[in-house]
Amino acid sequence: QVQLQESGPGLVKPSQTLSLTCTVSGGSISSGGYYWSWIRQHPGKGLEWIGYIYYSGSTYYNPSLKSRVTISVDTSKNQFSLKLSSVTAADTAVYYCASLPDSSGWFDPWGQGTLVTVSS
Amino acid sequence: SYVLTQPPSVSVAPGQTARITCGGNNIGSKSVHWYQQKPGQAPVLVVYDDSDRPSGIPERFSGSNSGNTATLTISRVEAGDEADYYCQVWDSSSDQGVFGGGTKLTVL
Repeated sequence: QVQLQESGPGLVKPSQTLSLTCTVSGGSISSGGYYWSWIRQHPGKGLEWIGYIYYSGSTYYNPSLKSRVTISVDTSKNQFSLKLSSVTAADTAVYYCASLPDSSGWFDPWGQGTLVTVSS
Repeated sequence: SYVLTQPPSVSVAPGQTARITCGGNNIGSKSVHWYQQKPGQAPVLVVYDDSDRPSGIPERFSGSNSGNTATLTISRVEAGDEADYYCQVWDSSSDQGVFGGGTKLTVL
C-alpha cells in the first residue's frame, strides 16, 4: 500500500521560498498511474488544492497560486517536491501531499501533513 | 471557478442518521468524493464517485448525488464519527480539484 510522508522546514521567513518534499513508499512514482498532488489547509479552515505532477514531469497548478508554485519530481528518490515563493503569513498552513489516481478525481492516500509557519 | 457549499455544522444523536449536503451548480453531472478529517489528522477518503466506498470504510457511510446537491449519509452514527467532512469534485473545465468548505459533525 502506498504511503506518503512530507518533510521540510516548519518555519519560513516572509518573502522567502517554502520548500517541502514528499517521499513515496510502497509504490514507484515512475510506474505511472497517479498524479502526485499538494494540498494545504489554513489553520482552522478548509482544504485548498495547490497542484499536481505526473511522473513524466507534466504539471498543473491552481490558478490562484500558479505564479508562485513549482512542483517537481525526482523518480530516482521516489520523491516529489513543492516550492512556493514570496511567502507571506497567509501561506501559513498544514501542507499535505496526496496521490490522485489517473482518471479518478479523488485523493487517496494522503500524507500526515506538515505545518509550515511563515514568520520573521 | 466551481464552488461547493456545505453547511458549517450538523448535529445528530448516537444511533441516528446524519446527512451532510454539498451544493454546486449541476453537481449531479460531476463525480463527488467525501473525506473525513478528525482533529490533528489528515483527511481520509470515505466515499468516492458519489457512492462507492474504499475498502475498510463501514457500510454505514453512503453517498448520493443528483441535481444541485450531493449528500453523504452516515447511518447508525457513533461517537467516533465526530469529525469534519469535506466534499470534493474535479472541475474538468479548469482542471483543478475543488473542495467544499467542510461540515463539522457533532455527535450529541
